[in-house]
Amino acid sequence: EAQVTQNPRYLITVTGKKLTVTCSQNMNHEYMSWYRQDPGLGLRQIYYSMNVEVTDKGDVPEGYKVSRKEKRNFPLILESPSPNQTSLYFCASSPRTGGLNTEAFFGQGTRLTVV
Amino acid sequence: SQKIEQNSEALNIQEGKTATLTCNYTNYSPAYLQWYRQDPGRGPVFLLLIRENEKEKRKERLKVTFDTTLKQSLFHITASQPADSATYLCALDIWTNAGKSTFGDGTTLTVKP
Repeated sequence: EAQVTQNPRYLITVTGKKLTVTCSQNMNHEYMSWYRQDPGLGLRQIYYSMNVEVTDKGDVPEGYKVSRKEKRNFPLILESPSPNQTSLYFCASSPRTGGLNTEAFFGQGTRLTVV
Repeated sequence: SQKIEQNSEALNIQEGKTATLTCNYTNYSPAYLQWYRQDPGRGPVFLLLIRENEKEKRKERLKVTFDTTLKQSLFHITASQPADSATYLCALDIWTNAGKSTFGDGTTLTVKP
């Protein structure tokens, strides 16, 4: 089954403790992206990757890191989480290349709470 | 940066009626615009994509229009059903900044039986 898989689904952590949210897709998509969703602010793009070893900042990259060492995986790293990073996070992938776009496939989400 | 506004946070309609959701954008002319459905606690699911040179797109009971002069997209669900109740998001990308995408806050549609 074609899907985007995020882990974990739920995570409660303490301020400053490094964490990684994994994202994996099995559709051989070139493009992957991370978003956070907060009430009243909608989906905001954190980072995206057009291909392996290519990553770029979205609208809200501060406090996050990503890597794209292989096509299927795009982990989101919070080196020193803070309470304002409490949010619902989504990973997405798409077969888009260049300036073209096609539908994006989203993961099931990771609800992160930083206390 | 480009900004998207969706007409209202919530829309309530009666079963069988047509729901019309609005997406307005400013600052840039998008190459294409997408509509997604999102159920509570779940990831968005793609519905339709419309390109800048297309005026209208249809899929079953769904119809999307794209007016680049008004900078607006309308999303219609005809013969609405309670199962259509969800939050609907519009999203846009632009040619000059391939890879970046902007989403609206969404409109929550409730279809009452």
